[in-house]
This record gives sequence, C-alpha cells and structure tokens, in this order.
Amino acid sequence: KNQVEQSPQSLIILEGKNCTLQCNYTVSPFSNLRWYKQDTGRGPVSLTIMTFSENTKSNGRYTATLDADTKQSSLHITASQLSDSASYICVVSARSNYQLIWGAGTKLIIKP
Amino acid sequence: DAGVTQSPTHLIKTRGQHVTLRCSPISGHKSVSWYQQVLGQGPQFIFQYYEKEERGRGNFPDRFSARQFPNYSSELNVNALLLGDSALYLCASRRDPAGNQPQHFGDGTRLSIL
Repeated sequence: KNQVEQSPQSLIILEGKNCTLQCNYTVSPFSNLRWYKQDTGRGPVSLTIMTFSENTKSNGRYTATLDADTKQSSLHITASQLSDSASYICVVSARSNYQLIWGAGTKLIIKP
Repeated sequence: DAGVTQSPTHLIKTRGQHVTLRCSPISGHKSVSWYQQVLGQGPQFIFQYYEKEERGRGNFPDRFSARQFPNYSSELNVNALLLGDSALYLCASRRDPAGNQPQHFGDGTRLSIL
C-alpha cells in the first residue's frame, strides 16, 4: 500500500535554531517527492520538488534531501524564524498514475 | 497574476443539505484538483479534472461530485451532508495533469456541518 509517514508529529524550537523534519514513504513506482508549507487557515505552498535523480534541493533556508534507495526524505530548516511556524507536509507522486500521496504533516512551532 | 481563488471562504450547513464550492484556477492552468482536509491531517484527494474531463477520483462516496467548465473553473458538489463532511476543502491547479510541476493551492473553503 502506498503510504507516506512523517515524523515528528509536532516540534517546538526556539527562534534561530535549526531543525530537521523526516518523511518515509512506500510509494512505488516513484515519480517525485514534494514538500509543502501550510500556514494555519491557508492552502499549502510548494517548497521543493525532487525527482529520482535529485538528492538535494534548496529553497532559501529550506533544504530537502532525498534517498530514493531507502525511500526517505528530510527537510532541514536553517536559522528558524517565527514565520516558519506552520505544518510541513511531504507528498509523494506515483509514476504509474501520478496520484499524490500526502503525509499527515509535521506541525512546527517557533518560539521567540 | 491572481492565484487560485475559492468561494465561499466559510460556509455553515446542516445535515442533509447540499453544498456547491467553487474554484477558479490560475490563468493558463487546465488541471484542477479537489482535496478534503480534516483538522490535524493532510489533504485527502477527492477529484482531478483536466480539459473538462475527470482524470482521477479518490475514495469518496457518490455524494461527492464535481465538474469543470470551458473556462477551466470548477465546482465541487456534496449532497446529503454529514457531520463528518466538516473540513477545509482545497482546490489546486496546475498547467497539466501530470509531471513534476507544483500544484498551486487556494486558501480553501471551510465547511462546517451542524
């Protein structure tokens, strides 16, 4: 069964600190993996998209990694800011039908 | 360019009623997808439409239906509303139905069933 699991479920860190969010998936055949940021009450916003051949991609202070062999991805946030408080959702696309399988998200809270 | 717009932003209905939610995609985007997001969970795929035809359907009952118009806007209809239908309904658009392009989301319609 195609699944995406994220950890931790929630995370609280101090402003200025770094953090890493994890995503494990069982989707096959794999097409691409996406990370979205969703602010409370808003729609998700795309941060990165990685295909099979890409193992790292950055978007400002956000860096995503992908290990297609172990089917794991991480999202690293550097020098966190209060505006980083949001849910971060990992989404994997299946190459067979391009169906998007969504994780439940990690709720990140940045404290001053 | 305007992003994906959804209307209404909030809606309150009672059990048994029906509801129509609307979505206007980004200009030039021909694919529209609908998602249901219950509090604390990731979005669940409901439908995808491309060029006015259904291209995908999630595991939702027949009470849920949708359509896409010639201008690529879309409607999601839900009949015989249940308490469990209370959720944020998200619409996303992209140029084509597949590939490595990002989906662009609207801010959703918050549906509450009393």
